[in-house]
Amino acid sequence: GENVEQHPSTLSVQEGDSAVIKCTYSDSASNYFPWYKQELGKGPQLIIDIRSNVGEKKDQRIAVTLNKTAKHFSLHITETQPEDSAVYFCAASKGSARQLTFGSGTQLTVLP
Amino acid sequence: DVKVTQSSRYLVKRTGEKVFLECVQDMDHENMFWYRQDPGLGLRLIYFSYDVKMKEKGDIPEGYSVSREKKERFSLILESASTNQTSMYLCASSWGQGAREQYFGPGTRLTVT
Repeated sequence: GENVEQHPSTLSVQEGDSAVIKCTYSDSASNYFPWYKQELGKGPQLIIDIRSNVGEKKDQRIAVTLNKTAKHFSLHITETQPEDSAVYFCAASKGSARQLTFGSGTQLTVLP
Repeated sequence: DVKVTQSSRYLVKRTGEKVFLECVQDMDHENMFWYRQDPGLGLRLIYFSYDVKMKEKGDIPEGYSVSREKKERFSLILESASTNQTSMYLCASSWGQGAREQYFGPGTRLTVT
């Protein structure tokens, strides 16, 4: 089955700096790659996703890049703010599958 | 506004007890999922269901069972709780076939003593 590895497990950045979280996946048939944000005491919430027919997708301060050849994808957050502090999860799935395989999570802390 | 609710935020049970975790969604979603979340391990899929009375094993189904008698409700059952089932349990739902956004409940923190 699919295996998703996520790095780093913890990340601290100064407010205003950029943050990058990276994931690799094992199944070359995977073609859907979402990112979820989990705030304290809440369930994860989708923040951005990308399908394998595109290499990059942006939504304001967040962007995701995908390299299908290398089987890795990354989340980029620019101009970080304290409210970006949370746990972030990457995931992967074959488009035909309903289920996702999640990475192990990254605790992002934005220092004021 | 989409909503997934879980019956309890915190639950404490004794070893050997039968435990029911309930999840309800109000979005008429076909698919429902149960995950457990442990530090350093991310979210691991226990079971999912794509229709009433249908279920599929996820990556870690051992020690668990599920029930889906109505479209909006998906229950996770621990037949005989053990201490290694102490964890955060998250329910999610999504619509349609194929990989789509999953909507999560707030989670149930289960402690088995």
